[in-house]
Amino acid sequence: DAGVIQSPRHEVTEMGQEVTLRCKPISGHDYLFWYRQTMMRGLELLIYFNNNVPIDDSGMPEDRFSAKMPNASFSTLKIQPSEPRDSAVYFCASSLRLGSSGNTIYFGEGSWLTVV
Amino acid sequence: AQSVTQLGSHVSVSEGALVLLRCNYSSSVPPYLFWYVQYPNQGLQLLLKYTSAATLVKGINGFEAEFKKSETSFHLTKPSAHMSDAAEYFCAVSASSNTGKLIFGQGTTLQVKP
Repeated sequence: DAGVIQSPRHEVTEMGQEVTLRCKPISGHDYLFWYRQTMMRGLELLIYFNNNVPIDDSGMPEDRFSAKMPNASFSTLKIQPSEPRDSAVYFCASSLRLGSSGNTIYFGEGSWLTVV
Repeated sequence: AQSVTQLGSHVSVSEGALVLLRCNYSSSVPPYLFWYVQYPNQGLQLLLKYTSAATLVKGINGFEAEFKKSETSFHLTKPSAHMSDAAEYFCAVSASSNTGKLIFGQGTTLQVKP
């Protein structure tokens, strides 16, 4: 399998611009997660979906952030307008329907966002 | 609520020495526990996981971890460090076996000196 695929890998944008991060989960996985990683706060769960439905978005920092999952193979995380403090690595991850083996989450390689 | 504490944000060992990265968890229900590794400029990769089977779990690259319920710990060890082990290591606990939500520790950066 190709794994979780994210794009872009790196993006530099100016403050106020819209940023869209994209993710393709592993085929067959029912759960999709968006995490943010910063030096100050470590790894934070922003939102996760189950069968394309947002389950928990309590980690989304503010209304400037939105996430969608229009189908089982695609999700977006959008920041509008972007601010310098949004600079971080954004990870998408996915996992299978859960069973007794535990819920291994597979991560993409991340999108490195810099807002100047 | 579940939480994870990793003791020591930086650990430095000599090549060939024992690696010990500490993780303590808090969970009101039997937990699933994970160790992930992140190499520079890369995503997170699963090292190993505990899912209530054997308490001693073996992972990739010679790493293993032991689940100790009495100590609420899940420390990661490797008998002999290699230069390629230099990375950041994250311990994580599953909030619930039904949600897939992982709570991560703050991470421990492992430095391996020649």
